[in-house]
Amino acid sequence: EVQLVESGGGFVQPGGSLRLSCAVSGFIFSDYSMSWVRQAPGKGLEWIAYIITSSGTIYYADSVKGRFIISRDNSGDSLYLQMNGLRGDDTAVYYCARMENLHDPLDYWGPGTLVTVSP
Amino acid sequence: SYDLTQPLSVSVALGQTAKISCGGKNIGGENVHWYQQKPGQAPVLVIYRDAYRPSGIPERFSGSNSGNMATLTISSAQAGDEADYYCQVWHSSSAVFGGGTRLTVL
Repeated sequence: EVQLVESGGGFVQPGGSLRLSCAVSGFIFSDYSMSWVRQAPGKGLEWIAYIITSSGTIYYADSVKGRFIISRDNSGDSLYLQMNGLRGDDTAVYYCARMENLHDPLDYWGPGTLVTVSP
Repeated sequence: SYDLTQPLSVSVALGQTAKISCGGKNIGGENVHWYQQKPGQAPVLVIYRDAYRPSGIPERFSGSNSGNMATLTISSAQAGDEADYYCQVWHSSSAVFGGGTRLTVL
């Protein structure tokens, strides 16, 4: 059974940092690209980052470029999102999602982890 | 940037057919994916590449895409279909989501 589980969310002050993790199981992690998608309270879905299988290709949404870093550990079946310079508008549930390749659908999602940025 | 426009809400009577639109410039030339999200849950892929259903998704869910509009069709709508639905495309190496449509089954 394919499973993705995010962790690392919580409360952080503006300007602070947080590192999210996504542990996967039930499939060969190194065969799949991954994305992070977030959803602010009561709002729609916003894609924020993509990483290819080998980490050789990475893309970010403009809203997080220069502040967030996506990475992966294929030997540990884990995906990460390092979030720096956090702002109030970064408050959201953060989901990791699996995809085969760029332009493919996000076919499995984790349950999400909530990040709250507040003084 | 590329914009996808969805109606905020769609209502359908129990057992009838619901259609949710997703408008975008020349969207017919893109692969459109659709996700269902119920309150407090993660999104679930219900249609990919315009019209394909992942395993486990009922045949009542179908999709089409042409010109400037993609459409998700839900036949014989059930109470359990009440959810938010999002269309999504990849454009210039970025995933773009529509704003989402709240489906209400009356």
